[in-house]
Amino acid sequence: EVQLVESGGGLVQPGGSLRLSCAASGFTFSSYWMSWVRQAPGKGLEWVANIKQDGSEKYYVDSVKGRFTISRDNARNSLYLQMNSLRAEDTAVYYCARTEYSSSWGDYYYYMDVWGKGTTVTVSS
Amino acid sequence: DIQMTQSPSSLSASVGDRVTITCRASQSISSYLNWYQQKPGKAPKLLIYAASSLQSGVPSRFSGGGSGTDFTLTISGLQPEDFASYYCQQSYSTPRTFGQGTKLEIK
Repeated sequence: EVQLVESGGGLVQPGGSLRLSCAASGFTFSSYWMSWVRQAPGKGLEWVANIKQDGSEKYYVDSVKGRFTISRDNARNSLYLQMNSLRAEDTAVYYCARTEYSSSWGDYYYYMDVWGKGTTVTVSS
Repeated sequence: DIQMTQSPSSLSASVGDRVTITCRASQSISSYLNWYQQKPGKAPKLLIYAASSLQSGVPSRFSGGGSGTDFTLTISGLQPEDFASYYCQQSYSTPRTFGQGTKLEIK
């Protein structure tokens, strides 16, 4: 069964750090881009970051650049999100998602087809 | 960054109705548009990718259309399990922005 399981969430004070993990199973993890998406309480979805199969390319939303780092360990089938200098506005459920693509006439259409259940991060004093 | 705007933000409909949700991009994104469904307390679920391709296992009453800046998600013959929130997302460039969501409620 294809599965993603996030862990590492919790309560942290403003300015603190947290490392989220996402364990993948049931598919060849090293063959896929992977993404983090978050959802603040009562709000919509916000794409946070993604990482290429070999970790050579990483992209971030502006609001987390310089504070968050996405990484992966293909030998351990795991995705990570290191979150530093946390702010109240980082409070959210964080989902990891597998990024698949379809190709047509040389174009590559990326989409997130497998999602974990999420882990909750609360930044509060 | 590309801004994605959905309309309406909320919608009331009855079982059996046909409903359409619209998503507009702030610039042309060709067909780089995905749709997701999310139920309360659950992870999002992919419905449509590349604007009009139905994800495996998704019922055929869901359909997507459009290209450029204007896109639609249509549900033909609403079922009780379809009452949820729906989000569009562009994959044309990073950051991969989402629309603000459309909450579909039972009338």
